[in-house]
Parts: sequence; C-alpha cells; structure tokens
Amino acid sequence: GDSVTQMEGPVTLSEEAFLTINCTYTATGYPSLFWYVQYPGEGLQLLLKATKADDKGSNKGFEATYRKETTSFHLEKGSVQVSDSAVYFCALMDTGRRALTFGSGTRLQVQP
Amino acid sequence: DTGVSQDPRHKITKRGQNVTFRCDPISEHNRLYWYRQTLGQGPEFLTYFQNEAQLEKSRLLSDRFSAERPKGSFSTLEIQRTEQGDSAMYLCASSLRPRDSLNEKLFFGSGTQLSVL
Repeated sequence: GDSVTQMEGPVTLSEEAFLTINCTYTATGYPSLFWYVQYPGEGLQLLLKATKADDKGSNKGFEATYRKETTSFHLEKGSVQVSDSAVYFCALMDTGRRALTFGSGTRLQVQP
Repeated sequence: DTGVSQDPRHKITKRGQNVTFRCDPISEHNRLYWYRQTLGQGPEFLTYFQNEAQLEKSRLLSDRFSAERPKGSFSTLEIQRTEQGDSAMYLCASSLRPRDSLNEKLFFGSGTQLSVL
C-alpha cells in the first residue's frame, strides 16, 4: 500500500538558518505529492504540491522537487523565520484515488 | 467565506456511548472528506463525499462508524459504542471539484477532539 516517511522532529533552528525536512514515499501508481502545514491552533493548510516527476512546488519561500528516481519530496527553505514554526506534513495522493496518505509530521521550532 | 466549520470542538464521552460530529463545508464545495488524526501521527483518510454520494470509504471505517451528507451540504460522522481507541482528532475538509483533478485544493477545519474515557 501507499506510505509516506518523513524525518522525526522536533527540528530546532535559529532564525535565518537553512531548512530541510526529508520525505520519501512508496506508491503503487503515479502519485501527486504535497506538503501541508499546521500552525498552532489552526487547521491544516496546503503549502505546496507537485503532480509529476521533476516538478518543483514552491510557496512562501519553501520549495520541494518531485524526485521519482529516489521517491523523495524533500522540503527546503533558505532562511527560516520564527513565524515558520509549525508542524509540516508530507502527503501523497495516488492515481485514481481521492484519499491523501500523510506522513507522521515534523515539528519545526525556529528560535529568534 | 468562514472556512470549514466543525462542531463541537471537543467531546468527552464514556466508553460505549454514541457520539455525532458535524461538519459544515465551505459554501458551494461539492466534495467533503473526513480524516482521523491521533497524537503524533498524520491524518488518516476515513471517507469522502461528492455532493450527497459517499464514494470512497477506508478500511478504518468500521461498521460502528457512519457518515452522511444528506443534502450535499453539511455532513455528520457518528460513532456508535465508542471505544478508547476511538480517541482522536476528527478532521473535515472540503473542496470544489476542479475540471482538472490534479488541481483540487482541500480546505481543512480545525477538527473535533474526541476523548473516550
């Protein structure tokens, strides 16, 4: 079955540091890949997505590239801010399905 | 547009009792999803509706769980004979079916936190 594995947190960084959160997946079809973010006290929000191999999703300074050869979709940001502190979820939606399969989430804490 | 609304925000119940949650999607969104999230885990898909039709159900949705969307607007999720393992955050999401399914965007509510004692 489909699955998503992401690095465990918490990840603690200083402001302006470089961020990488690793995500790998297994899927039976040709999935679309997503990063969702959950800020404290708020619902899940779509951060970015990529729908085919070599696509790069980007939003709010975050980027992730769909790497089919390594089945990965790592999240990166060049310079994090305190306001980026949140839980980040990697997810996939496999071909022909409407269900999202989520990873277990990675908590990011950015210190001033 | 007030977003996806879920009620109640918190529910505490005793084992064996029945509970019902409500989700009001964003107006005119024709797709509605239910997910369950336990502490330290990502959300797990339970079921989804397109208008009033329930089109997909997860194996997680045992026969104690039932979801309805009678008029294609709000939805209810009922859990009968609750068990301690049902304790979780129940999330609802809605979307407007796009022409291109790859461009569907889900909007999540803040969830209902269920605690079964």
